[in-house]
Amino acid sequence: AQSVTQLGSHVSVSEGALVLLRCNYSSSVPPYLFWYVQYPNQGLQLLLKYTSAATLVKGINGFEAEFKKSETSFHLTKPSAHMSDAAEYFCAVTPSWDKLIFGTGTRLQVFP
Amino acid sequence: DSGVTQTPKHLITATGQRVTLRCSPRSGDLSVYWYQQSLDQGLQFLIQYYNGEERAKGNILERFSAQQFPDLHSELNLSSLELGDSALYFCASSSGTGGSYEQYFGPGTRLTVT
Repeated sequence: AQSVTQLGSHVSVSEGALVLLRCNYSSSVPPYLFWYVQYPNQGLQLLLKYTSAATLVKGINGFEAEFKKSETSFHLTKPSAHMSDAAEYFCAVTPSWDKLIFGTGTRLQVFP
Repeated sequence: DSGVTQTPKHLITATGQRVTLRCSPRSGDLSVYWYQQSLDQGLQFLIQYYNGEERAKGNILERFSAQQFPDLHSELNLSSLELGDSALYFCASSSGTGGSYEQYFGPGTRLTVT
């Protein structure tokens, strides 16, 4: 069965610092992977998706993620954190386009 | 704004009661998904409908049911409510066709069972 594991339930960075949120997947077939962001009291917003077209995927708000098959990873990065990036981030995989399987989420805090 | 709408935004009800949550997908999307988000279970897939037909089922309790209507809006019915059903319920939609399967989420309905 496919699954994703997010390492670190909380990540804190200073404004302007690199953001790195980790996600490892478990899949016996090429996965389709996603990163979503959830701001307080809001729904989930799609940041980016990997569907095997390119290993480096650029998303909204300056985020990107790199698919590394050898490491079964799909980590989310942003070169310079902004206060407005503070939110919860979810990695997700879909086994067959009928449901999303989410990780447990990583709460990002950004300090001035 | 994802284009997915959900009503109501908040719902407070008592144990044993029944509630209906409503979702309108993005214009043109045929697939509707329901998810439950709680502190202890995280984000869990409940059920998917595609163009009026049930397509996939997840960890949905027998007390819960859903349907998708001809105009493609969907309703999630929760009955015999228990305290543990308190959660955020999200609806998402996708086109379900043409290789574009990413899901767009509504703002959610926060259910509180007292």
